[in-house]
Amino acid sequence: DAKTTQPPSMDCAEGRAANLPCNHSTISGNEYVYWYRQIHSQGPQYIIHGLKNNETNEMASLIITEDRKSSTLILPHATLRDTAVYYCIVSRPRFYNQGGKLIFGQGTELSVKP
Amino acid sequence: EPEVTQTPSHQVTQMGQEVILRCVPISNHLYFYWYRQILGQKVEFLVSFYNNEISEKSEIFDDQFSVERPDGSNFTLKIRSTKLEDSAMYFCASGDTTYEQYFGPGTRLTVT
Repeated sequence: DAKTTQPPSMDCAEGRAANLPCNHSTISGNEYVYWYRQIHSQGPQYIIHGLKNNETNEMASLIITEDRKSSTLILPHATLRDTAVYYCIVSRPRFYNQGGKLIFGQGTELSVKP
Repeated sequence: EPEVTQTPSHQVTQMGQEVILRCVPISNHLYFYWYRQILGQKVEFLVSFYNNEISEKSEIFDDQFSVERPDGSNFTLKIRSTKLEDSAMYFCASGDTTYEQYFGPGTRLTVT
């Protein structure tokens, strides 16, 4: 499984966009980029995923570079409730009994400040 | 909105005892997982389960661990003889597509 590199911590002002970078230079062709977050010691929460195109949902946007070696998660208007550890993970999708496991790194601790 | 539930929220046990951690995945999901997180450390994959069998397991998931889907709704993790180093938060997750996983709130296991 490809590994990812993320900054250990970032700050963001409330109401501003939070841009969280991730490097995954060894990603292989069938691996997706997933983002999860963990608030305190709660269970990780799925945010978004993508293969090579940019993606947007109600929570965030995901920008993947053309060479797929890096990506950026964008929280467009960060709130205090977005304070969490954000994990960038690359993984094969599930297909019957193969793939799907998530290998978590240390993530980026995002602090949203008033 | 459907969610993964886990019981108990906190389990205290003595070293050498057996524990069973229970999970109720989202009802139409087919893929099930267990992860653990030792305090202050990373979330670690333990095992994945599909079609009533283990799909993949990590090095952590040794002979002391087992999983079962006993009745079509519950998904359990059993630790046969707990050790102090098994103290951790255990998360169950489930998924119905090839992509996202939905995690439960976790069971905090304390081995004394």
